[in-house]
Amino acid sequence: DTGVSQDPRHKITKRGQNVTFRCDPISEHNRLYWYRQTLGQGPEFLTYFQNEAQLEKSRLLSDRFSAERPKGSFSTLEIQRTEQGDSAMYLCASSPRTAGGGTQYFGPGTRLLVL
Amino acid sequence: EDKVVQSPLSLVVHEGDTVTLNCSYEVTNFRSLLWYKQEKKAPTFLFMLTSSGIEKKSGRLSSILDKKELFSILNITATQTGDSAVYLCAVENDGSGNTGKLIFGQGTTLQVKP
Repeated sequence: DTGVSQDPRHKITKRGQNVTFRCDPISEHNRLYWYRQTLGQGPEFLTYFQNEAQLEKSRLLSDRFSAERPKGSFSTLEIQRTEQGDSAMYLCASSPRTAGGGTQYFGPGTRLLVL
Repeated sequence: EDKVVQSPLSLVVHEGDTVTLNCSYEVTNFRSLLWYKQEKKAPTFLFMLTSSGIEKKSGRLSSILDKKELFSILNITATQTGDSAVYLCAVENDGSGNTGKLIFGQGTTLQVKP
């Protein structure tokens, strides 16, 4: 399967714990996006990487959130000191474009539940 | 503030019916509008629209964009139970930095009954 993959698919944690999610984009896609989706809503943009550079962060991304994409390949999203409000589906998407329009392809998501 | 609004929020039809889903937007630096289908998992891509008046078709699904009136519609003809899903409309915002981030609507939940 050469699509976007995410790990883990599900995560249950206690409030105050740290969690880390991984996203492996489609190979040769240089653009990578993280979105968050809560029940009954559309996904909301969190952050964007072009290769290894993090070029945009939403104000939704508080200082408890950090994302990296070392070497421009896979990406990780870490949430420190989780809160119940962090419970959501975290989606990763990748896009092949370097300039101009390009379709974003989504991974299966990581569903986070904070107790 | 950029926003994408979909209507209706939910819809129940019977197999064989035709449905029209609506998406209106107010987004600075518009580049494209995309439709996705989501069935309890990640959104799967349906269409990307960049030009007004040009219909995109894929089987029983079709979509068109009106950049003057800032809306798009997604049509599904001869609906089947397998069409039951949440349909998401997203607009690509290509502002400073050329990020291409997507701004999504709330989605339309379609239920097709046998």
